[in-house]
Amino acid sequence: NAGVTQTPKFRILKIGQSMTLQCTQDMNHNYMYWYRQDPGMGLKLIYYSVGAGITDKGEVPNGYNVSRSTTEDFPLRLELAAPSQTSVYFCASSPSADNSPLHFGNGTRLTVT
Amino acid sequence: GQNIDQPTEMTATEGAIVQINCTYQTSGFNGLFWYQQHAGEAPTFLSYNVLDGLEEKGRFSSFLSRSKGYSYLLLKELQMKDSASYLCAVRRPGGGNKLTFGTGTQLKVEL
Repeated sequence: NAGVTQTPKFRILKIGQSMTLQCTQDMNHNYMYWYRQDPGMGLKLIYYSVGAGITDKGEVPNGYNVSRSTTEDFPLRLELAAPSQTSVYFCASSPSADNSPLHFGNGTRLTVT
Repeated sequence: GQNIDQPTEMTATEGAIVQINCTYQTSGFNGLFWYQQHAGEAPTFLSYNVLDGLEEKGRFSSFLSRSKGYSYLLLKELQMKDSASYLCAVRRPGGGNKLTFGTGTQLKVEL
């Protein structure tokens, strides 16, 4: 099992450009998440999904969009990149049981200049 | 809302024991997780507590007191590879298994 796979690993965007961060998992987990991690800050939840076709906002959703057309994939879309979106983005998945830990991908380091 | 506090940095000696504290003030509580994160890598799961008391897993143990809003992670027989950031996370009420993370404690293990 590959677990949670994120692409790309690194990306530099110019202000106003758009891009999609890809995330796929092969563990058949119902729940998937996108977090961002900034230096000195905790991981912040951007969006999450409890199953295919269902998504919901987390703490910091502004400037992002998601979709969940399949159980495996949960892409994150940045439409108009801004310097404030410079961060490390982690995708995670978990089974739907209450005490299940999150399994994280290796992250995407995004710089917007 | 949720507020989670952890010390920013700690230093300990190889072979020693270190305790990393986490306090939380939340509008609801459905369990507390500890994760380890090495520099430039993804967080990895260490432990989960939902009831009061101590959970032991090899060299790592985690304690929870719900009445005090307090948890700690205990690392015994420290090794150099334990140098990492340790993240405390509280699971929010409601569905979706959503976690609120603290800012993490950077542990440095020295010879």
